[in-house]
Amino acid sequence: KAGVTQTPRYLIKTRGQQVTLSCSPISGHRSVSWYQQTPGQGLQFLFEYFSETQRNKGNFPGRFSGRQFSNSRSEMNVSTLELGDSALYLCASSSPQGTRDNEQYFGPGTRLTVT
Amino acid sequence: GNSVTQMEGPVTLSEEAFLTINCTYTATGYPSLFWYVQYPGEGLQLLLKATKADDKGSNKGFEATYRKETTSFHLEKGSVQVSDSAVYFCALKETSGSRLTFGEGTQLTVNP
Repeated sequence: KAGVTQTPRYLIKTRGQQVTLSCSPISGHRSVSWYQQTPGQGLQFLFEYFSETQRNKGNFPGRFSGRQFSNSRSEMNVSTLELGDSALYLCASSSPQGTRDNEQYFGPGTRLTVT
Repeated sequence: GNSVTQMEGPVTLSEEAFLTINCTYTATGYPSLFWYVQYPGEGLQLLLKATKADDKGSNKGFEATYRKETTSFHLEKGSVQVSDSAVYFCALKETSGSRLTFGEGTQLTVNP
């Protein structure tokens, strides 16, 4: 099976712009979660989508949003970029909900730099 | 809320040394516990997991035991290799959903 893929791998944006990141989960996985990784804050949960519905949301401002499509692919959007949004954004997919053993598989991440 | 605390790093060891990275957690209910590893420039890889008290997860010579009485999930390896150099993250997941709560990460460097 192909792993989780994320595009693009690297992005450079300017303050005030917006950005969209894409994640394709492992085939058959219906849950997609997003995390932000920074040196100062570590790994923080952004949100989780399952069957096109947001199931859980972390403590991030409304500038961070996401969606999931019928084929389970997911996108996240950050509007009005700030310097502090520079981070590695990781996507993870997992098999159907409800099992304690549902492992999450991570993609390689998208490195966003805001200048 | 849930939280995970890892020992402060970085940790530097010589090849074949014994490794312990401490991890303690705070959670309601009975979470599942995980260790993830991140190599430079890559995403996270699941190293091992345990889903209930007294379970021992193991993989590639690494082990960790779910200790509910001490709320701990310490990572150990008897003999580290240079290729084990990476950042290690302890994490927990609640019973429902997929949300992971991570520790701060511990940078491990193994010198030949």
